[in-house]
Amino acid sequence: EAGVVQSPRYKIIEKKQPVAFWCNPISGHNTLYWYLQNLGQGPELLIRYENEEAVDDSQLPKDRFSAERLKGVDSTLKIQPAELGDSAVYLCASSKTTGGFTDTQYFGPGTRLTVL
Amino acid sequence: EDQVTQSPEALRLQEGESSSLNCSYTVSGLRGLFWYRQDPGKGPEFLFTLYSAGEEKEKERLKATLTKKESFLHITAPKPEDSATYLCAVQARNTGFQKLVFGTGTRLLVSP
Repeated sequence: EAGVVQSPRYKIIEKKQPVAFWCNPISGHNTLYWYLQNLGQGPELLIRYENEEAVDDSQLPKDRFSAERLKGVDSTLKIQPAELGDSAVYLCASSKTTGGFTDTQYFGPGTRLTVL
Repeated sequence: EDQVTQSPEALRLQEGESSSLNCSYTVSGLRGLFWYRQDPGKGPEFLFTLYSAGEEKEKERLKATLTKKESFLHITAPKPEDSATYLCAVQARNTGFQKLVFGTGTRLLVSP
C-alpha cells in the first residue's frame, strides 16, 4: 500500500515569495492533516480536513497561509508571502475517522522549506 | 491544556546497552498514546498505540508500556539502526479525540 506522498521534498525561496506544497494521502483515508515541525521540536498541527471540510484550522496563520483539499483527496498548503520564520518542515498526515474517532495518523516524508 | 514531556532530550548508548525513554503526559481524558520513530529527513513512522494503563506492546527490540501518568519505551539490546528520534504523542478528550499533541522527542544514538 502506498504511503502519504508529498512534493516537493525541498524548497528554497526568497522571503516575500509565494510557495505551495502538495499532499496525496493514503487511499481511503478521509482525514488529512498539515503539520509544521521546527528543528528539535515535535510536529504542531496547522489544519485538519475531514473529507473536503476544514474542521480545525485554529492554528493556521490565516493572514499568509491557506489550504485546500479538492474533492476530499489531494491537498495543497500555500504560503504567501513567505517570511524568514516560515523555514521549517511541513508534514502531511492522513488517517481514517469513523464515528467521531480518528485512527492512527500516518505521515508523509515532509517538505523542507528554507526562506532566505 | 494537554502537555507531553519527553526525557531525556538525547541519549547515547553502546550497542547492546538496554535503556528506557520516558514520556509523561497531562491530558483531560486520554484516548490513546502514540509512539513514532523519526529518522533524519523523513516523516514520523508509526510504532505503537497504547490505550489504557497497564497495556504493553512489543516490536522487535522495542517495548512500550503505559501508566496513568507516563509511558516508557524500553529498548533491549539496541543496534546502531535503532538510532533515531522517538516521538510520543497523545490524543485527548478535550480535542474531540482528533488532534495529536506531540512531545519534543528523544534523540537516540546507538554506537557500534
